[in-house]
Amino acid sequence: DIQMTQSPSSLSASVGDRVTITCRASQTIAHYLNWYQQKPGKAPKLLIYAASSLQSGVPSRFSGSGSGTDFTLTINSLQPEDFATYYCQQSYSTPPFTFGPGTTVDVK
Amino acid sequence: QVQLVQSGPEVKKPGASVNVSCKASGYTFITYYIHWVRQAPGQGLEWMGMINPHGGSTSYAQRLRGRVTMTRDTSTSSVYLELSSLTSDDTAVYYCATYNAAVIGFDMWGQGTMVTVSS
Repeated sequence: DIQMTQSPSSLSASVGDRVTITCRASQTIAHYLNWYQQKPGKAPKLLIYAASSLQSGVPSRFSGSGSGTDFTLTINSLQPEDFATYYCQQSYSTPPFTFGPGTTVDVK
Repeated sequence: QVQLVQSGPEVKKPGASVNVSCKASGYTFITYYIHWVRQAPGQGLEWMGMINPHGGSTSYAQRLRGRVTMTRDTSTSSVYLELSSLTSDDTAVYYCATYNAAVIGFDMWGQGTMVTVSS
């Protein structure tokens, strides 16, 4: 099975900051990488699919990049509603549909 | 309105089984595979398995095989998750989600069902 790792596990940031989260796959997954945002008590929400495509309705301050094994989620000009936990997930070699362990973005 | 609506919270004793339902509406039920993902308190997301609503075929996470069963009822556009031989490690929020091949991801989620296993 493909294993997913994320770094950092948590970070503190301020409104207006640029935030970068990294996801790494244990083997190549081409562009089959998705990013989700989860707020406390809520279901995850798809933000980025296929590594760099913005899901409908998601603000353009969110962007994704990468291919193969290394991927990045960037939030430009962090907004108050962006404090949440972010998960990467691979859809290349399935099943299983593996998630990363998550990165929590909290207030500095 | 496209949505997945799940059944309510459950409290079960160790060794018991639990059934969680997920009712789809607002789209053609057989269009998307439905997956189950769970999240233990304070933990990350764990993929449990999936069901094809069209033919009912399933695939389960290896660590849950033998304890998990997913079924569907096309007449009510619902899928069901049964987990047996519960332990405290199964205490979690259970989510159903549709997998949309066009975005290679889970683009619609149920609201989650809290299952608590406690003696």
